Amino acid sequence: DAGVIQSPRHEVTEMGQEVTLRCKPISGHNSLFWYRQTMMRGLELLIYFNNNVPIDDSGMPEDRFSAKMPNASFSTLKIQPSEPRDSAVYFCASSPPSGSYNEQFFGPGTRLTVL
Amino acid sequence: DQQVKQNSPSLSVQEGRISILNCDYTNSMFDYFLWYKKYPAEGPTFLISISSIKDKNEDGRFTVFLNKSAKHLSLHIVPSQPGDSAVYFCAASATGNQFYFGTGTSLTVIP
Repeated sequence: DAGVIQSPRHEVTEMGQEVTLRCKPISGHNSLFWYRQTMMRGLELLIYFNNNVPIDDSGMPEDRFSAKMPNASFSTLKIQPSEPRDSAVYFCASSPPSGSYNEQFFGPGTRLTVL
Repeated sequence: DQQVKQNSPSLSVQEGRISILNCDYTNSMFDYFLWYKKYPAEGPTFLISISSIKDKNEDGRFTVFLNKSAKHLSLHIVPSQPGDSAVYFCAASATGNQFYFGTGTSLTVIP
């Protein structure tokens, strides 16, 4: 089975440009998470969806960040306009439905560089 | 504010010896803890977990210890192997879905 798929793997853009990161979760998983990894703060949860509905977006740093999940197999994280401080690795993760704690399965990440 | 802290950014250990990675948390509501392992250019992968009803969980060479009164957990790797060289993240949850991760500890196992 394919794991979580993220695209692009690397993105270099200039300040002020719009950036869209894409994620395809594992089939059958109903929770999807977007994380940002930085040296200072480690893995920060930005937003998570359950059954395509955003449950908690309190980690989204600013209004410049938005995320959507139009269906069970696709999600996007958009930054508009991008800034150099947004440079980081962005991970998408998914987890299966359950009544208890579940491990999350991570994609390979998108390394974003904003110049 | 960081609710999960890994105060050692890096650790070097000789092959065959024990690696001990530490993690502290502040939220007493956390009741489930996980360790993830991350290789360069890959996403984190699940390694081992522990529920707050236990104080120890073992899986092969990996053992996680939980000290609830100290709000501290540790991951022991015995014996350490060069393939264990990676970044290790500690994570904690109170709800089952949302996990709070630490900043990671980079482990280097020297052959």
